[in-house]
Order: sequence, then structure tokens, then C-alpha cells
Amino acid sequence: DQQVKQNSPSLSVQEGRISILNCDYTNSMFDYFLWYKKYPAEGPTFLISISSIKDKNEDGRFTVFLNKSAKHLSLHIVPSQPGDSAVYFCAASLNSGGSNYKLTFGKGTLLTVNP
Amino acid sequence: GAVVSQHPSRVICKSGTSVKIECRSLDFQATTMFWYRQFPKQSLMLMATSNEGSKATYEQGVEKDKFLINHASLTLSTLTVTSAHPEDSSFYICSAAGLGTQYFGPGTRLLVL
Repeated sequence: DQQVKQNSPSLSVQEGRISILNCDYTNSMFDYFLWYKKYPAEGPTFLISISSIKDKNEDGRFTVFLNKSAKHLSLHIVPSQPGDSAVYFCAASLNSGGSNYKLTFGKGTLLTVNP
Repeated sequence: GAVVSQHPSRVICKSGTSVKIECRSLDFQATTMFWYRQFPKQSLMLMATSNEGSKATYEQGVEKDKFLINHASLTLSTLTVTSAHPEDSSFYICSAAGLGTQYFGPGTRLLVL
């Protein structure tokens, strides 16, 4: 049973435009959410996170939005750059995301930013 | 950010042999490390949680006798795939918990012939 779902396996956008990556979750106990970026044959790299007490967190070109009632979060990248092309994983955690707590990952979305 | 290394990055072995993968946190101490495996086009599946100085906690469906985990120090955890079979071929990734998040290693590609 997939508790964290990324229903779009891929997304293609034009350089300079906005990329919106979506993630849904089923476990209402999750209270901390993270986005990771992964290049082929490399480990994931942490991008941005959000606690369930917030509905938005912004870091440079990356903004994560959380809609708890809908159990939905999204990652916005503005403006998109070709170097952003990678697989993006959404992850969720319990217990306010202390680093020692396990993460549940979605299947990832392959983002391609075209020059 | 913090650096986590894995060794080897790639290994090919014969069926029935054992393979050890090392995960090291290079610039911080990690009391907890995690081991994941990833099949093509699938999410990272948590296999086990490795706690320094104690037994690992395995996720449901993961055979602890097949995937031996040792976390002998605050900077090193090892995963040994015992009597590897072709179905164990996968991408194995470790992460080290620290500094408020998990930092991932670069992964190890295991191919069992």
C-alpha cells in the first residue's frame, strides 16, 4: 500500500517556466514532509521540507505548499533551469521529522527542463 | 551539506556469494543510519534502521538473516547481502541521520549473476 504517491511519473517544462510537482499521502499521522532531488546513479539530495504546522515554505527558487485537509503537497520551482532536470522524490515522516525517523518515499517524478 | 560515502559504488558477483556494502558519514556522527533499496522506476524502499551499538530494526518482509547490518561506530554502518541471488540485484542506498535531516550516500549498484 503506497502511503506516499506521486502520480505523475514524468513532467516536461520549458526553461524559465514554473515546474509544479505533486505528491499525495494517505497517512494522516505524517507530520513532516521533504522533497529530494536525485540524479541517475546518485543518492538523493535534500531540497526542502515542511512541517505540518505550516502550509508554505520557501527557499530560493523552491517553494513547497502543504494542504493538510487534502493530504496533498506540491513543489514549485520558479524559474525552472535545465540543471533542475532530475527525479524528484516526495517523502513523509512521523514525529515532526526528527532526522532519526524513517522516511516513506513516493515513486518519484522525472522532471525534464528543456532549454 | 554533510557527506555520506558508500563503498563499493558498483559490484558484480556470482550467485551464492556474500557482498558487503559500507556506508560512512564523513563529517558528522550518525547514531542512526538507514538502508534502502530501489528497483528501476520504483521508490526507495526502506529495508532497515541501523542504530549504533544495537541491533538493526528491519522493515516487514526484509529477511534479517539475509541482509546483515552492523553499525559498529558512529560513522560506519555495513550491509552484507548473504548468499546473494539474481533477485537481490538492485540499487542499495544508505542514509545517515544528522543535522536535522537524512543525508544519502551515492548508492551501490549490485548485480548478481
